[in-house]
Amino acid sequence: QQPVQSPQAVILREGEDAVINCSSSKALYSVHWYRQKHGEAPVFLMILLKGGEQKGHEKISASFNEKKQQSSLYLTASQLSYSGTYFCGAGTASKLTFGTGTRLQVTL
Amino acid sequence: SAVISQKPSRDICQRGTSLTIQCQVDSQVTMMFWYRQQPGQSLTLIATANQGSEATYESGFVIDKFPISRPNLTFSTLTVSNMSPEDSSIYLCSVVVLAGGAGELFFGEGSRLTVL
Repeated sequence: QQPVQSPQAVILREGEDAVINCSSSKALYSVHWYRQKHGEAPVFLMILLKGGEQKGHEKISASFNEKKQQSSLYLTASQLSYSGTYFCGAGTASKLTFGTGTRLQVTL
Repeated sequence: SAVISQKPSRDICQRGTSLTIQCQVDSQVTMMFWYRQQPGQSLTLIATANQGSEATYESGFVIDKFPISRPNLTFSTLTVSNMSPEDSSIYLCSVVVLAGGAGELFFGEGSRLTVL
């Protein structure tokens, strides 16, 4: 089953924060996050391997709640370059099931 | 990291024809993966291309429709056979690179197919 992401789309002004949620109906052992800019290939952001793990990548961080089978991606002080579609992924990299996607647009 | 080149980058095809997409990686990799991304949708794994053995297909994808070759550790092809408009998608080749004990996927730029 494909992980479900929320919201489906969000529009932010530059400098605002956003949270993207990823929820799975199946047990989650690891969560990947990717960003895909329009017309480009997806790019790896981070992977969380353990329940409760939190990771940071510049102003983008994520948490993983294994018990709730959920992960959240946090974008703080958003920049124009953050615009794109964000996908979570469940499973291992060699057999990844991508989430439904969240389209993020950052405006001036 | 990995640098992945795909050809063609885009094509417009007629219904009933077949098209072969090529994927070249700048280093030897054990597994290569083919994904499909339908317009405005997420990515779906089609199959895993294994060198020296047949590809492993995911549920809903069959070899007759998407034959895959893997002649060596840096190259793979995906053929989309007997195309219909429903096959209009971006097809992406990817490989796994291990970093810090975990694997991350690197993608090619994709091949955007439009079937008329």
